[in-house]
Amino acid sequence: ILNVEQSPQSLHVQEGDSTNFTCSFPSSNFYALHWYRWETAKSPEALFVMTLNGDEKKKGRISATLNTKEGYSYLYIKGSQPEDSATYLCAFHTGGFKTIFGAGTRLFVKA
Amino acid sequence: SQTIHQWPATLVQPVGSPLSLECTVEGTSNPNLYWYRQAAGRGLQLLFYSVGIGQISSEVPQNLSASRPQDRQFILSSKKLLLSDSGFYLCAGTGTANSGANVLTFGAGSRLTVL
Repeated sequence: ILNVEQSPQSLHVQEGDSTNFTCSFPSSNFYALHWYRWETAKSPEALFVMTLNGDEKKKGRISATLNTKEGYSYLYIKGSQPEDSATYLCAFHTGGFKTIFGAGTRLFVKA
Repeated sequence: SQTIHQWPATLVQPVGSPLSLECTVEGTSNPNLYWYRQAAGRGLQLLFYSVGIGQISSEVPQNLSASRPQDRQFILSSKKLLLSDSGFYLCAGTGTANSGANVLTFGAGSRLTVL
């Protein structure tokens, strides 16, 4: 059974704080690692698709790194803003038709 | 770009009643389609996926079934709901352009409460 673990489960930060969270996944049969942002009352939206060991992706204040050999990815948010409040989902793809999700990290940014 | 439409958005049903959640896709032909469920405090659990009309793969044994009567239509059903079927259901699809990386586009979700 493929297992994707995310930590922490939830995180409360102040506006302006930088933060990061972790996704752990199986290091075998790796094809791609996805990060999604899921805001309340909206659909999950893809943030990053990462396929190569050592990949680093950036979108504005949000960035992600990937280590496929040890099976982890970090998501960083620099200078958190209230609009960053959301659940951040990590998903592992083996190259078939299935994408396996972690339970998510719920981020609360207080103004 | 691909758009996923899903309804109803909210549903309250008694135990033992039937269920039908519908999902349709715009903007892509022959998409791979998925039904996920999020139970309280947990991640998205893959329930079913379909790679074409009439082709359904089930990931977990359960009280639910899925059907794909048309290329862009995916339906989640149950003949008799259980309390444990309560949760938030999301339909998702992959488009032809990005199917290699399997990036998913999601519908808005359906919240099912079984009483």
